Amino acid sequence: KQEVTQIPAALSVPEGENLVLNCSFTDSAIYNLQWFRQDPGKGLTSLLLIQSSQREQTSGRLNASLDKSSGRSTLYIAASQPGDSATYLCAVNTGNQFYFGTGTSLTVIP
Amino acid sequence: NAGVMQNPRHLVRRRGQEARLRCSPMKGHSHVYWYRQLPEEGLKFMVYLQKENIIDESGMPKERFSAEFPKEGPSILRIQQVVRGDSAAYFCASSPSTRQGYEQYFGPGTRLTVT
Repeated sequence: KQEVTQIPAALSVPEGENLVLNCSFTDSAIYNLQWFRQDPGKGLTSLLLIQSSQREQTSGRLNASLDKSSGRSTLYIAASQPGDSATYLCAVNTGNQFYFGTGTSLTVIP
Repeated sequence: NAGVMQNPRHLVRRRGQEARLRCSPMKGHSHVYWYRQLPEEGLKFMVYLQKENIIDESGMPKERFSAEFPKEGPSILRIQQVVRGDSAAYFCASSPSTRQGYEQYFGPGTRLTVT
């Protein structure tokens, strides 16, 4: 069974710092991996989708990488801002469903 | 193009009542997924449906829970005889296909509180 782990569970950084969030999964047989952002009491906002054949994707200050063989993905956030404060979730797509990690709660201090 | 819509956004039920949660997928999407997020836990897959068919219900509790996606109208997640442990956020997602390359788009969720 696929298991997804995110480290760290919580992270607090000063504004302007670059940071990396980690995601690992146990079964490399995935179609793609998606990073989401969830604000308290809200739904999920898709940030980046990486296909299994890709190594990375970029959108603005966000860059996500994927190493399928080792079961790892990272989300890099450049020049963090207070508005980036949220919970970040990674999810792997096995075809019929997404398996989610429990998230990294990020706080960016002004 | 409107996103995935869920209603109600908040639902309060007493123990033993029925809860009906609705999900309208994005236009052109024929695949719907339901997930549950318990307090302080991650999202867990419940069921995957296409129009009029249940494709994968491996995450659904065996009793009291059912889901449908009729030919016309929204997908419905139905919880009979709710208990306090059913209190959670229920999210619906849709995609145009499960073939590689298609991402899931999530709705805002329905927060169910059982008193």
